[in-house]
Amino acid sequence: EVQLVETGGGLVQPGKSLKLTCATSGFTFSNAWMHWVRQSPEKQLEWVAQIKAKSNNYATYYAESVKGRFTISRDDSKSIVYLQINSLKEEDTAIYYCTWGGYGWGQGVMVTVSS
Amino acid sequence: DIQMTQSPSFLSASVGDRVTINCKASQNINKYLNWYQQKLGEAPKRLIYNTNNLQTGIPSRFSGSGSGTDYTLTISSLQPEDFATYFCLQHNSFYTFGAGTKLELK
Repeated sequence: EVQLVETGGGLVQPGKSLKLTCATSGFTFSNAWMHWVRQSPEKQLEWVAQIKAKSNNYATYYAESVKGRFTISRDDSKSIVYLQINSLKEEDTAIYYCTWGGYGWGQGVMVTVSS
Repeated sequence: DIQMTQSPSFLSASVGDRVTINCKASQNINKYLNWYQQKLGEAPKRLIYNTNNLQTGIPSRFSGSGSGTDYTLTISSLQPEDFATYFCLQHNSFYTFGAGTKLELK
């Protein structure tokens, strides 16, 4: 069974940093292209970042809205994908999901940015 | 970037009705279009992938069609558990989601 579990969310002040973790199981993680997607309080879904597999040189891609502030990374030995979020803004407030190819999704983790 | 325009935003229907939801891409997405159902407090669940492929375990009353820039999700006979929000996702170039259709009980 495919499972993804996100952790690391919380309430943070603007300008601070946060690192989200997505632990996975049930599929061959080392071959998987992984994504982070967020859902705003208004329920709009927005793709945030992608990381490809080792065979693709771990290429990474970002939405324009987060480029330069967010970093996606992975640890194939642990089947984990990360999202480092720096210089948080109030508009980053959302539920953050990791997803494997749009098929498997985690339950999401809430990030609230507020002073 | 590819934009996705989903319609309608809200849909009121009754059990047994046939409903359609549409997504229009700003450019050809080569049938790389998925449909998702999301219920309150849950992650999106994939129903259809690559336009018309039914995800394992999803009832056959769900179907998808389309090509080029225009895609449709059809629910042939609404069941009580189908009242939820539906999203399209293009994955031809990264990901872009539609804004969602909230399907409500009339």
